[in-house]
Amino acid sequence: DTAVSQTPKYLVTQMGNDKSIKCEQNLGHDTMYWYKQDSKKFLKIMFSYNNKELIINETVPNRFSPKSPDKAHLNLHINSLELGDSAVYFCASSQDYGGGYNEQFFGPGTRLTVL
Amino acid sequence: DQQVKQNSPSLSVQEGRISILNCDYTNSMFDYFLWYKKYPAEGPTFLISISSIKDKNEDGRFTVFLNKSAKHLSLHIVPSQPGDSAVYFCAASANQFYFGTGTSLTVIP
Repeated sequence: DTAVSQTPKYLVTQMGNDKSIKCEQNLGHDTMYWYKQDSKKFLKIMFSYNNKELIINETVPNRFSPKSPDKAHLNLHINSLELGDSAVYFCASSQDYGGGYNEQFFGPGTRLTVL
Repeated sequence: DQQVKQNSPSLSVQEGRISILNCDYTNSMFDYFLWYKKYPAEGPTFLISISSIKDKNEDGRFTVFLNKSAKHLSLHIVPSQPGDSAVYFCAASANQFYFGTGTSLTVIP
């Protein structure tokens, strides 16, 4: 069984569209994250949720909105897609929040291409 | 501002030799450091970690060294195997994780 899963794996869409990426973890973890890996391979955190509550919201355009219906799911909605949103988006989860020895388990990534 | 840096984007090593991957950081508040390994089309997977109170942690063929005064850590893989070919990310944590840009390791058979 996949620990952290994301759908879709690939997403190609036109500028201006609205799209969603889904993430589910079956590890029983309390904390989930969204990361963006851009063309420079820089893996940067976007959001962190702990027990369905937003903990970290880095400087991300408000076109990006995470939604956590329950502890096992953290979906990412993106409105009015722009060319610069093209990247690989990784979902991750960890047992607790707060850094330290808090190993994060990553999903396989969603490659978003905006045309 | 990138707080964790991996200045070598790629590294090639012969099978059986040592691979040394380097990572530098700027924030002295980081208290934990991790290495992740990533294969193409997969997410990063945890490899090895070290607390800031230690200077070395070993797990099989993998050893991580931490030099706090230099704000530098390194991952040693001995002996290197072709299956080790992947991208290796260094990460550091305070209240959240900060990742480097990765080093692509190629182990040549």
